[in-house]
Amino acid sequence: NAGVTQTPKFRILKIGQSMTLQCAQDMNHNYMYWYRQDPGMGLKLIYYSVGAGITDKGEVPNGYNVSRSTTEDFPLRLELAAPSQTSVYFCASSPGLSSYNSPLHFGNGTRLTVT
Amino acid sequence: DAKTTQPPSMDCAEGRAANLPCNHSTISGNEYVYWYRQIHSQGPQYIIHGLKNNETNEMASLIITEDRKSSTLILPHATLRDTAVYYCIVRVEHAGNNRKLIWGLGTSLAVNP
Repeated sequence: NAGVTQTPKFRILKIGQSMTLQCAQDMNHNYMYWYRQDPGMGLKLIYYSVGAGITDKGEVPNGYNVSRSTTEDFPLRLELAAPSQTSVYFCASSPGLSSYNSPLHFGNGTRLTVT
Repeated sequence: DAKTTQPPSMDCAEGRAANLPCNHSTISGNEYVYWYRQIHSQGPQYIIHGLKNNETNEMASLIITEDRKSSTLILPHATLRDTAVYYCIVRVEHAGNNRKLIWGLGTSLAVNP
């Protein structure tokens, strides 16, 4: 199993550009999450999904959109990139309600710089 | 979910046990204590979790006090590769509650040769 795979690893955007951060998991997990981590700070939840076709906002959703058309994929879309979106983005997944022990499994992140 | 308090940094000599404390004085009866770590530039990695009994796995041991208001993560023989930020988080045991996790700043553990 590859676990949670994020692409790209690095990206530099100009202000106003858009991009999609890709996230895929091969563990058949129902739950998927997008976090951002600013330098020296803890993780902040952007969006999450409890299954294909179902998404919901987290703590800091403004400026982002998500979709979940399959169990495996959970892309994060940035429209009109702003310098405040410069951050490291982590995707995570966890098993569904049937799993009692449900820790998060993280990808290795996408480092995004908006200039 | 209850908040946790951890020291911002700790040092440990290579080969010695690293004992990382965590206070969670407002923890409720159905909240578990989870530990994750984040090695520089990587995604956080799950280590261990427990409710009230002490737990041990191949990575670490978790000691939870009888009143459950604090816990200690023990890395029995720390190596340089254990240098990381360690996060202590409490969470109701339900998959859906991962979305409610409060990620603080954790403890930055430096293992020295």
